Amino acid sequence: GAGVSQSPSNKVTEKGKDVELRCDPISGHTALYWYRQRLGQGLEFLIYFQGNSAPDKSGLPSDRFSAERTGESVSTLTIQRTQQEDSAVYLCASSLVGSREETQYFGPGTRLLVL
Amino acid sequence: AQSVTQLDSQVPVFEEAPVELRCNYSSSVSVYLFWYVQYPNQGLQLLLKYLSGSTLVESINGFEAEFNKSQTSFHLRKPSVHISDTAEYFCAVSGYDYKLSFGAGTTVTVRA
Repeated sequence: GAGVSQSPSNKVTEKGKDVELRCDPISGHTALYWYRQRLGQGLEFLIYFQGNSAPDKSGLPSDRFSAERTGESVSTLTIQRTQQEDSAVYLCASSLVGSREETQYFGPGTRLLVL
Repeated sequence: AQSVTQLDSQVPVFEEAPVELRCNYSSSVSVYLFWYVQYPNQGLQLLLKYLSGSTLVESINGFEAEFNKSQTSFHLRKPSVHISDTAEYFCAVSGYDYKLSFGAGTTVTVRA
C-alpha cells in the first residue's frame, strides 16, 4: 500500500512569509506525528494527533507554528512569519494507534529553506 | 524526559568489514529502543527495535543490536557491510509515551 506522503518536497521562502506543509498518512493509521530535523541534529518532536483526541502540541517551538488534521486523514503544518532558524527538514510520520512500542512510518520530508 | 547520544557522527568503513554504531540513552522510565535508517534520497524506515525479552534483536539484512540496561546502551552492529548499507542511522527511544527522542544520527559510508 501507499506510504506516508508529504508535499511539497522542497520549499524556499522569504523571511516573514507564511508556509503550509502537507502530510498524507497511511490509510487506517489513527496517529500522526510531525518532527523537525535541523542540519546535523536529530529529529525533534513537534506535534501529535490521535483520532479525535486533543492534539499534543508540547513540541511546537513558538506560537508561529500550528497544525491541523482533518479526521484521521491529511494534516497541515503551518509556519507563520517564517524566520531563518525555521530552515529544516519537516518530517511527518504515522502509526496505527499511537502506542509507544509501535513503529512510526515516516514520509520523505519537506525541506524548508527560509532566505 | 529521555535523551539519546550517538557517539559517532561519521563512520567510514570498507566493504565486508564489520561496523558498530554506538548509542547511549538516558531516561527516568523504562524505554523502548529503535534504530531507524535513512538511505540516500529516501525517507526514514525502521531497521529494528527492542521492546522486551531477548536483549539481542536482529534485522532482516544482517544488523543486530543489543540492549544493555546497566550501560544504558543500544549499539548497532553488522559483521560484514555492503555498499548498499551506506546510509544515515538514527537511534531513538520512547519513554512513557509515543514521543520518540532521536540521536543526531551516524552517517555510514561504505567504500569498496
